[in-house]
Amino acid sequence: GAGVSQTPSNKVTEKGKYVELRCDPISGHTALYWYRQSLGQGPEFLIYFQGTGAADDSGLPNDRFFAVRPEGSVSTLKIQRTERGDSAVYLCASSRGTDNEQFFGPGTRLTVL
Amino acid sequence: GNSVTQMEGPVTLSEEAFLTINCTYTATGYPSLFWYVQYPGEGLQLLLKATKADDKGSNKGFEATYRKETTSFHLEKGSVQVSDSAVYFCALSGRGGGADGLTFGKGTHLIIQP
Repeated sequence: GAGVSQTPSNKVTEKGKYVELRCDPISGHTALYWYRQSLGQGPEFLIYFQGTGAADDSGLPNDRFFAVRPEGSVSTLKIQRTERGDSAVYLCASSRGTDNEQFFGPGTRLTVL
Repeated sequence: GNSVTQMEGPVTLSEEAFLTINCTYTATGYPSLFWYVQYPGEGLQLLLKATKADDKGSNKGFEATYRKETTSFHLEKGSVQVSDSAVYFCALSGRGGGADGLTFGKGTHLIIQP
């Protein structure tokens, strides 16, 4: 079956621009997570959705970062006024619900020039 | 807050050697513990997990035991293969079972030479 998919796989943008990163979870998975992985580091938690609502957004670094999941399936991570420090691989994961294994997508590599 | 510390890499071993990758954690309450693996060119995938003290997770010949007294979850394998070459991440979940965001260590790059 299809796994978690993320688009685009690579995104290059200029400092100050706005970007959107998309995540398609596994069908039927109610929980969705976003992480950010910088070079040589482990993934860092950003936000977690249960259904349509953000159950925990404590990992978002500042108000330039925002994520939505309007229909409880696809999610979009939005970054305003990008900075060079935002360059990283953004990972999405989904799970069937609470207390279940998280399945990760391949990630979107964001480069801010 | 929660944190995970794992041994720095790269770790280079010969095929059939015994493997240990150390992982210790700091957390409030009773976290669940995980090992994730990232093979070259692939996404993160769960290798094994343990949800309470003294539980042993195992998969593909790898094992790790949840030691609350030493706050550790060391990964072991008796005889490694070239195909085990990958980056290994230790992680914990605050409310148990992966229901919330995971806290990861920095990862350990394992290289197995034939």
